[in-house]
Amino acid sequence: EIVLTQSPATLSLSPGERATLSCRASQSVSSHLAWYQQKPGQAPRLFIYDASNRATGIPARFSGSGSGTDFTLTISSLEPEDFAVYYCQQRSRWPKTFGQGTKVEIK
Amino acid sequence: EVQLVESGGGLVQPGGSLRLSCAASGFTFRTYSMNWVRQAPGKGLEWVSYISSSSDDLYYADSVKGRFTISRDSAKNSLYLQMNSLRVEDTAVYYCVRERGAWFDPWGQGTLVTVSS
Repeated sequence: EIVLTQSPATLSLSPGERATLSCRASQSVSSHLAWYQQKPGQAPRLFIYDASNRATGIPARFSGSGSGTDFTLTISSLEPEDFAVYYCQQRSRWPKTFGQGTKVEIK
Repeated sequence: EVQLVESGGGLVQPGGSLRLSCAASGFTFRTYSMNWVRQAPGKGLEWVSYISSSSDDLYYADSVKGRFTISRDSAKNSLYLQMNSLRVEDTAVYYCVRERGAWFDPWGQGTLVTVSS
């Protein structure tokens, strides 16, 4: 099973600041990585797929990068609605696995 | 608008059974693979099971293999998860999730399964 390790566990930032979230895979997943956002009491929502493609309706301030084992989700300037938990997920090999999540909280 | 609405969750004793349902609308259900993903209270996401559009391919997480069975009825636009021999550690919100381009999109609102005596 491919293990995804996200860091940091919690990111405390202010609106307008830049957020950088990391996801590291235990073996190469090529570009087969996605990012999901989850807000309290809500279902997750696909934000980034194939490492760098924004899903429908996702603002341009969100960008994804990386390939192989190291991936990054960047939020260029945090808006109030961006404070949430973000999960990475790989589809390279079964079982499809998720990282443990990074919580982006208001400082 | 794509909608996935889960039902069937509730409180069940360890060793018991439960059948979850997911009603799909707003898209051609028979052409999409589907999944169940769960989230224990306060925890992260865990993929549970997958079914291809034709039901030919079925996959399960090791943690549920032999106890859970995924199925679908395309005539009813519905996805199911039969859960037997339930354990305390199966307690979670269970999400019905469409697979689009092999990614999970979108997700239903979830149904809570609580396994407790």
